Amino acid sequence: DAGVIQSPRHEVTEMGQEVTLRCKPISGHDYLFWYRQTMMRGLELLIYFNNNVPIDDSGMPEDRFSAKMPNASFSTLKIQPSEPRDSAVYFCASISGGPYNEQFFGPGTRLTVL
Amino acid sequence: AQKVTQAQTEISVVEKEDVTLDCVYETRDTTYYLFWYKQPPSGELVFLIRRNSFDEQNEISGRYSWNFQKSTSSFNFTITASQVVDSAVYFCALSEASMNRDDKIIFGKGTRLHILP
Repeated sequence: DAGVIQSPRHEVTEMGQEVTLRCKPISGHDYLFWYRQTMMRGLELLIYFNNNVPIDDSGMPEDRFSAKMPNASFSTLKIQPSEPRDSAVYFCASISGGPYNEQFFGPGTRLTVL
Repeated sequence: AQKVTQAQTEISVVEKEDVTLDCVYETRDTTYYLFWYKQPPSGELVFLIRRNSFDEQNEISGRYSWNFQKSTSSFNFTITASQVVDSAVYFCALSEASMNRDDKIIFGKGTRLHILP
């Protein structure tokens, strides 16, 4: 398997623009997690899905952030409008069989908002 | 509520020395899981180990070993005979098995480990 795939790997955008981050989990995995990593706040869980259904989005910072999982092989995290404080590395991870099993992380998307 | 504390922000040791990374956790559940992940300079996060709350046996995997002590709510990680390739940020994490809406997978802030040649 190719592992968790994220795109783009790097994104530079200007404040106010819409940003969409994409994730393809490992085939057969039924949990998908989105994380944000910054120096100040460390690794934060934003939202996670089970069988394409959002289970806990309490980590989503504000209404500018939204996430969808239209099918088992694709998820998006959208920021609209983006702000400089959204600059971070965003990771996607998938798990098989239960939220407390080993997480397989994607390579991350480094987002820079100017 | 869940909490994971990695008090050591940054550690530097000389190659071949042993080093222990501390992890202290808080949870109200009796069933939970503890993890260690490694993030090398390349940036990816790599799973190292998972331990459930009912298994206090220490684990050894090559130069890596983990000491789980429920009495002190600690899950420490030791690298024996450290190597430069061990240089990374190491994260400890906690997940409660119930995964209620209030519960999440919580990561510690990480310990940045520098192995000096």
